[in-house]
Amino acid sequence: KAGVTQTPRYLIKTRGQQVTLSCSPISGHRSVSWYQQTPGQGLQFLFEYFSETQRNKGNFPGRFSGRQFSNSRSEMNVSTLELGDSALYLCASSLEQGARSNEQFFGPGTRLTVL
Amino acid sequence: AQKVTQAQTEISVVEKEDVTLDCVYETRDTTYYLFWYKQPPSGELVFLIRRNSFDEQNEISGRYSWNFQKSTSSFNFTITASQVVDSAVYFCALSEVGDTGRRALTFGSGTRLQVQP
Repeated sequence: KAGVTQTPRYLIKTRGQQVTLSCSPISGHRSVSWYQQTPGQGLQFLFEYFSETQRNKGNFPGRFSGRQFSNSRSEMNVSTLELGDSALYLCASSLEQGARSNEQFFGPGTRLTVL
Repeated sequence: AQKVTQAQTEISVVEKEDVTLDCVYETRDTTYYLFWYKQPPSGELVFLIRRNSFDEQNEISGRYSWNFQKSTSSFNFTITASQVVDSAVYFCALSEVGDTGRRALTFGSGTRLQVQP
């Protein structure tokens, strides 16, 4: 079974631009979560989607948004990029049923650099 | 609010040594999940184990073992006979289960393990 895939793997943008990152969960997984990882703040939760609905949201400004499609694929968007948005963005999926629920499996991440 | 503390920032051992990574957590919930993840240089977080708050049984998987003690709010991870391939950053994480369902993972700051040949 294929793991979580994220595209693109690397991205370079300039301040003020916007960016869209994509995540395809493990087949059968309906929950997708996004995390930001920076050297200073560590791993921080952005948001979670389940059945196309945002179920949970972290403490990030409105410039960060996301959505989930009917096939469970998810995208996150960051508008008006700032230098501090440079980070590794990780997507995780989980099977929301039975004994294996709550196990989140992560993708390889998208490394975003803002110049 | 939930919190996870990994006091060891970096640990360096020589191959074949045993090493224990500490994790202390704080939560007000009675139902929660604890996790360990490994992050090799490639960046991907690799799931190692999940433990729920009602299961205090220790677990062993090959060279890996985990010690969960609710009395001290700790969930420590031991690697026996460490190998160079164990070199990575290890994260402990906590997920509460509130009235609205499972909450997001709260991660510790990570422990960088370097295993020297």
